[in-house]
Amino acid sequence: GAVVSQHPSRVICKSGTSVKIECRSLDFQATTMFWYRQFPKQSLMLMATSNEGSKATYEQGVEKDKFLINHASLTLSTLTVTSAHPEDSSFYICSARARIPLSYEQYFGPGTRLTVT
Amino acid sequence: GIQVEQSPPDLILQEGANSTLRCNFSDSVNNLQWFHQNPWGQLINLFYIPSGTKQNGRLSATTVATERYSLLYISSSQTTDSGVYFCAVDRDDKIIFGKGTRLHILP
Repeated sequence: GAVVSQHPSRVICKSGTSVKIECRSLDFQATTMFWYRQFPKQSLMLMATSNEGSKATYEQGVEKDKFLINHASLTLSTLTVTSAHPEDSSFYICSARARIPLSYEQYFGPGTRLTVT
Repeated sequence: GIQVEQSPPDLILQEGANSTLRCNFSDSVNNLQWFHQNPWGQLINLFYIPSGTKQNGRLSATTVATERYSLLYISSSQTTDSGVYFCAVDRDDKIIFGKGTRLHILP
């Protein structure tokens, strides 16, 4: 149980285009979903936290107009990288927290590798 | 904000050796998890351990919340244990990752 999927796993796009990444909790309802970014050989950096039906909370330094997050249901969150540039190339990982009282355990998706040319 | 420090940053061991990875955090937390990131980037949950001790096969973890540290033990290392080990703490819905320990097990 507690499986999180991400789609696509890998995407290459041209500079100036937008890319949407989906994150789904497959066998549980997620009250909260998180989006992370990871550069090569570095740690994960939290970009934003989203709760179903409400606006995402972005971390300091993350442009909300560039990284649009939608959490439309208890099993789906999307991250759209708008007007992508080469510096947006990175590994994007989502995680989900199950709807269990007093549980803070997170389950991670397999990640999406974005390359902007 | 809360600081999470992992040590050592890099560790090279011979197959069969034991290892201890440490995670220190600067403030009280709601949760602590250990992850193994495989070569393809997938984060694999190892332990959800806000306090106490847990064991799973050759791996075990101990968190002493009052002293703000957690330890991950790997016994009889195998080459498949290679990769990066992260600890992550959760406080007020903010998840902070340490920088990881890069473990390389030599055959």
